[in-house]
Amino acid sequence: DGGITQSPKYLFRKEGQNVTLSCEQNLNHDAMYWYRQDPGQGLRLIYYSQIVNDFQKGDIAEGYSVSREKKESFPLTVTSAQKNPTAFYLCATRTGGFQPQHFGDGTRLSIL
Amino acid sequence: RKEVEQDPGPFNVPEGATVAFNCTYSNSASQSFFWYRQDCRKEPKLLMSVYSSGNEDGRFTAQLNRASQYISLLIRDSKLSDSATYLCVVLISSGSARQLTFGSGTQLTVLP
Repeated sequence: DGGITQSPKYLFRKEGQNVTLSCEQNLNHDAMYWYRQDPGQGLRLIYYSQIVNDFQKGDIAEGYSVSREKKESFPLTVTSAQKNPTAFYLCATRTGGFQPQHFGDGTRLSIL
Repeated sequence: RKEVEQDPGPFNVPEGATVAFNCTYSNSASQSFFWYRQDCRKEPKLLMSVYSSGNEDGRFTAQLNRASQYISLLIRDSKLSDSATYLCVVLISSGSARQLTFGSGTQLTVLP
């Protein structure tokens, strides 16, 4: 979606390394989300934030961390504690109310 | 029982066919409903919202049955470009929090 930028598009992680995935939006949306998608599978919620300086764990938060210091930015760190990080990571935003989510074009993370 | 269930398919249909997907949800507090389309190795994109009275967008028709807790998507005159995975999404309110839950998707292949 225009207005949601995820970077990088492809990322490789070495054993024991933390990596950070960027998600920036200029849509002025309050809520931001991180999902993980494994091949042939559905989306699983990692973390979400409904307001600046606040965030909640989703269904699979272990091994991940986030911050929400600015409305526009919601970076996701994949820590070395996440033993199977290879997946497609999607960031989404939502304006609130009963509105749908809109997605960035994703980051593919692989293990070296 | 999953909160949102879809037939995973795959549905293989000839060009020009009419195809219907169903999705059931378990939480009666569900308040908004959406269909998303996801192309291979791409992010999900909003196809259409689903309104209580049913709604149509060109060849696509969405219906909601609150009593039976299911939504449907009908695609008429299928095109090759309709080949994708279709995701059913439900927004649930719990107090002041609102959470979207994604189905695992139904794969459609339109054959020439």
